[in-house]
Amino acid sequence: IAGITQAPTSQILAAGRRMTLRCTQDMRHNAMYWYRQDLGLGLRLIHYSNTAGTTGKGEVPDGYSVSRANTDDFPLTLASAVPSQTSVYFCASSALPTAGEQFFGPGTRLTVL
Amino acid sequence: SQQGEEDPQALSIQEGENATMNCSYKTSINNLQWYRQNSGRGLVHLILIRSNEREKHSGRLRVTLDTSKKSSSLLITASRAADTASYFCATPMANNLFFGTGTRLTVIP
Repeated sequence: IAGITQAPTSQILAAGRRMTLRCTQDMRHNAMYWYRQDLGLGLRLIHYSNTAGTTGKGEVPDGYSVSRANTDDFPLTLASAVPSQTSVYFCASSALPTAGEQFFGPGTRLTVL
Repeated sequence: SQQGEEDPQALSIQEGENATMNCSYKTSINNLQWYRQNSGRGLVHLILIRSNEREKHSGRLRVTLDTSKKSSSLLITASRAADTASYFCATPMANNLFFGTGTRLTVIP
């Protein structure tokens, strides 16, 4: 693989269920990010990680958690999904935190019923 | 609240024409980036312009930055049908990269 992969591609989930979105990069980038994209609102940052072992909150972190056990993987977990979390989720990475170009995965379309 | 806002929200042009999109932002920045998103796909980085640069070129793309007006423009020359996409400006602030809501460009063959 080259770049960023995300899984699943799409998912329909019942409200209250737990869900983990997976993200893996093979570019050895230090920083990784999770965004959600909603119509009319653009992309909003959920959580970020500047380096393995550290994470931080973005603009809309409530209801989401992340971990960064190693450089390559950055899973996003919804502990108890709610309909307002219906969105398209993008994972991204960059060599350096924020300052430079970010590389995006193909996205996960999540529907919470 | 959004740091960057693009204008117009939608733009439709004929193939071969030029397309200009504008971005306004609110606070001081170190750089401003432009991204493209094809329908149903992830974003792709197009160009980064630093705060001490006024203009930058990359192929058919020309980006300008006016820090006094807190605005940037993206010009796509000699547009092609394949340029049909949404275009976003993004500005870094703290640990966030703030994206605008995008300009939807349609290039008619």
